[in-house]
Amino acid sequence: DAKTTQPNSMESNEEEPVHLPCNHSTISGTDYIHWYRQLPSQGPEYVIHGLTSNVNNRMASLAIAEDRKSSTLILHRATLRDAAVYYCILMYSGGGADGLTFGKGTHLIIQP
Amino acid sequence: DTAVSQTPKYLVTQMGNDKSIKCEQNLGHDTMYWYKQDSKKFLKIMFSYNNKELIINETVPNRFSPKSPDKAHLNLHINSLELGDSAVYFCASSQAFLSGNTIYFGEGSWLTVV
Repeated sequence: DAKTTQPNSMESNEEEPVHLPCNHSTISGTDYIHWYRQLPSQGPEYVIHGLTSNVNNRMASLAIAEDRKSSTLILHRATLRDAAVYYCILMYSGGGADGLTFGKGTHLIIQP
Repeated sequence: DTAVSQTPKYLVTQMGNDKSIKCEQNLGHDTMYWYKQDSKKFLKIMFSYNNKELIINETVPNRFSPKSPDKAHLNLHINSLELGDSAVYFCASSQAFLSGNTIYFGEGSWLTVV
């Protein structure tokens, strides 16, 4: 059973910011929030992860709600190369199979 | 330099055959995984090895047998292939079996059983 809920698809224009939501209402205190993306015909690649505080890296930003029951992946300026399926998953800090299965993710479509 | 490499990339075979997919990581990681992505695009964990020891075995038919000769290699052998085994199989690795660690995926092996 997926522990996260994401929209099936989203569409955005090139060079505009994109906010990808993820709900994880059953998150526990030791779950990390991870985001991966999968480009067509490729393996998933890591985007970003966090526990409680917002996080930034060169690819994206992760905004985590105060109650941690939801998070948002932010692509500040989408390009055509960002078109992919984005997965939000929870990983238990002690390890375990539950956190290693990816749901259907959000299919992000970027319009030129 | 490919961090996680798997071979073959494409494999078409007949039902009943036995086949293997090989995986190697050059990242010095302790943990390796096999995932299956079916036509519905769910990416499901099959197996995980940590320091050559099996730590996750997720309700996979025993026709599937992983083998880890050393920390850098995790091969997947499939006996008596069935039509339903057609999928993309991804090998992956991480520094350790903990949730703060990034998982690095290979490019995938497309298996078609006819």
